[in-house]
Amino acid sequence: EAQVTQNPRYLITVTGKKLTVTCSQNMNHEYMSWYRQDPGLGLRQIYYSMNVEVTDKGDVPEGYKVSRKEKRNFPLILESPSPNQTSLYFCASSLSGRTGGYSGNTIYFGEGSWLTVV
Amino acid sequence: GDSVTQMEGPVTLSEEAFLTINCTYTATGYPSLFWYVQYPGEGLQLLLKATKADDKGSNKGFEATYRKETTSFHLEKGSVQVSDSAVYFCALSRLDPMRGSNYKLTFGKGTLLTVNP
Repeated sequence: EAQVTQNPRYLITVTGKKLTVTCSQNMNHEYMSWYRQDPGLGLRQIYYSMNVEVTDKGDVPEGYKVSRKEKRNFPLILESPSPNQTSLYFCASSLSGRTGGYSGNTIYFGEGSWLTVV
Repeated sequence: GDSVTQMEGPVTLSEEAFLTINCTYTATGYPSLFWYVQYPGEGLQLLLKATKADDKGSNKGFEATYRKETTSFHLEKGSVQVSDSAVYFCALSRLDPMRGSNYKLTFGKGTLLTVNP
């Protein structure tokens, strides 16, 4: 079954304690991305990766890091979490970055990770 | 920059009522348009999409038509069910000539739909 798997699904942590949210996909997708969802703001892109070792900033990258050492994994790293990073986080993947035009590519989302920073 | 505006919620309907959730967009070029649905406690699922003007996307009784002249992609369903209760997101993806690919979805803020029996 095609899946995007995130862990942990729920986490409460304290300010400044480094944490990593893992993301793994089993579809051999080249493109992966992280979004955060906040009430009244919809989803906003944090970082994305077009392929292994190729990453770039999205709209709200401050306070986050990513790495793409393997095709299937795209972890999101919060080096020093702060309360304003309390949010619902989604990992997504697609066959390629071309989701428009006639490519027909679909972006698949994980189930989300609820993160609370106190 | 690109933006998506969808009607404010929450929307509350009775079962078998007609549903419309309005969505308009601002983008240069030729974006692809999507509706995603988020059921309670779950992740986002693609509901339907349209990749060019006048295309109609449809799935599970939902429909939306890509109207370039009005820059709209309104979601409709003729008869909603309790199981349709969810948050619905309109989104666009556009070819970015600076980066050579569509690299992100731009989402609206979401519309919460509650369907009562």
